[in-house]
Amino acid sequence: GQNIDQPTEMTATEGAIVQINCTYQTSGFNGLFWYQQHAGEAPTFLSYNVLDGLEEKGRFSSFLSRSKGYSYLLLKELQMKDSASYLCAVRSGNTPLVFGKGTRLSVIA
Amino acid sequence: DTAVSQTPKYLVTQMGNDKSIKCEQNLGHDTMYWYKQDSKKFLKIMFSYNNKELIINETVPNRFSPKSPDKAHLNLHINSLELGDSAVYFCASSQDIWKRTNPNEKLFFGSGTQLSVL
Repeated sequence: GQNIDQPTEMTATEGAIVQINCTYQTSGFNGLFWYQQHAGEAPTFLSYNVLDGLEEKGRFSSFLSRSKGYSYLLLKELQMKDSASYLCAVRSGNTPLVFGKGTRLSVIA
Repeated sequence: DTAVSQTPKYLVTQMGNDKSIKCEQNLGHDTMYWYKQDSKKFLKIMFSYNNKELIINETVPNRFSPKSPDKAHLNLHINSLELGDSAVYFCASSQDIWKRTNPNEKLFFGSGTQLSVL
């Protein structure tokens, strides 16, 4: 099976930087995804990592260390609209995505 | 046009009733899914279909029966609803089935159906 762990809640200030961590334990690792979900809405794709290192996409970056079973999502220049849940999801072998429980981020003024 | 659409958005019903949720995607994708998100926001896969064929059936009670009349539609029928079925149900699709050769298949989600069983 898979075990995905991420903090339940985080709070950060508008304009700041926040890092949301995700650790996972799985066999046959085949990629890690980050999704954003605003309250009452559908999850939307943010990033995908399969190789070690940092992937940057505008204000959002995602990092992966396969040897440590660790990823983080970095959000820069936080805006109020970034208040949402951030879901870490892992693909292993030939199985569909398994999601973590999500981190609810609150951005405050 | 909405890529993945599901109806209804809200469903309130009594215990013991039978209800259906419909899902359609206009992305031309081959694979569709049903996920359940409970009150703690945990998103868990229930079923997956590839080209109308059932691929994944997680440990879901027999009361839940998916039906895929064509690859653009995946409906979910629930018999004898129970209190514990209350959750948000998300339909999703992806271009193709997850494979080792194409592991970065993105999921596109519908807007969800909030089911409340009273």
